[in-house]
Amino acid sequence: AQKVTQAQTEISVVEKEDVTLDCVYETRDTTYYLFWYKQPPSGELVFLIRRNSFDEQNEISGRYSWNFQKSTSSFNFTITASQVVDSAVYFCALSEDSSASKIIFGSGTRLSIRP
Amino acid sequence: EAGVAQSPRYKIIEKRQSVAFWCNPISGHATLYWYQQILGQGPKLLIQFQNNGVVDDSQLPKDRFSAERLKGVDSTLKIQPAKLEDSAVYLCASSLGRGGTSTDTQYFGPGTRLTVL
Repeated sequence: AQKVTQAQTEISVVEKEDVTLDCVYETRDTTYYLFWYKQPPSGELVFLIRRNSFDEQNEISGRYSWNFQKSTSSFNFTITASQVVDSAVYFCALSEDSSASKIIFGSGTRLSIRP
Repeated sequence: EAGVAQSPRYKIIEKRQSVAFWCNPISGHATLYWYQQILGQGPKLLIQFQNNGVVDDSQLPKDRFSAERLKGVDSTLKIQPAKLEDSAVYLCASSLGRGGTSTDTQYFGPGTRLTVL
């Protein structure tokens, strides 16, 4: 069975600090996709990244970086030099189907950045 | 490019009443999804359409929930009758739906927050 665990329910840091959001997943498939979405107070989920299981290369996009480690079934997300606008709920998610359409979401981590 | 539109944004009803939500996907997107997001949880897929056909409705409580996408564009999700535990945000998402092994990105609307009293 597939499962996504985000053990950190809430995180609060001061602006400009670095913060890492943890994600641990479970799947029996060898081919799967991992995602991160951001949900700001406005409500809509904003797509951040999709990774397939064969690509363990870490990715950096501006202040965002993702660390994918199959050995520990983790896909962690780091925000460097956090800003108040980063405050949101962040969801890690997993899909086992080839088109990455059926997505299972974790329970989310609420990130608050204090000025 | 316009995003996924949903209405209403908020709805308050009493239990046993009926309610309907509307979703207009991004133009040209063949696949449409409805999710239920209960407070403090991640979204859970209720139903997935490919054009006007249902691909997956395995988690839709069919005794009270129904959804349609008659012309393969707009979609409505209905709850009849509502229960207290239906209080949640209902999110609509759409994707290109290229099919095969092409991976898709889902784009989400702002959601409809339903409160059942």
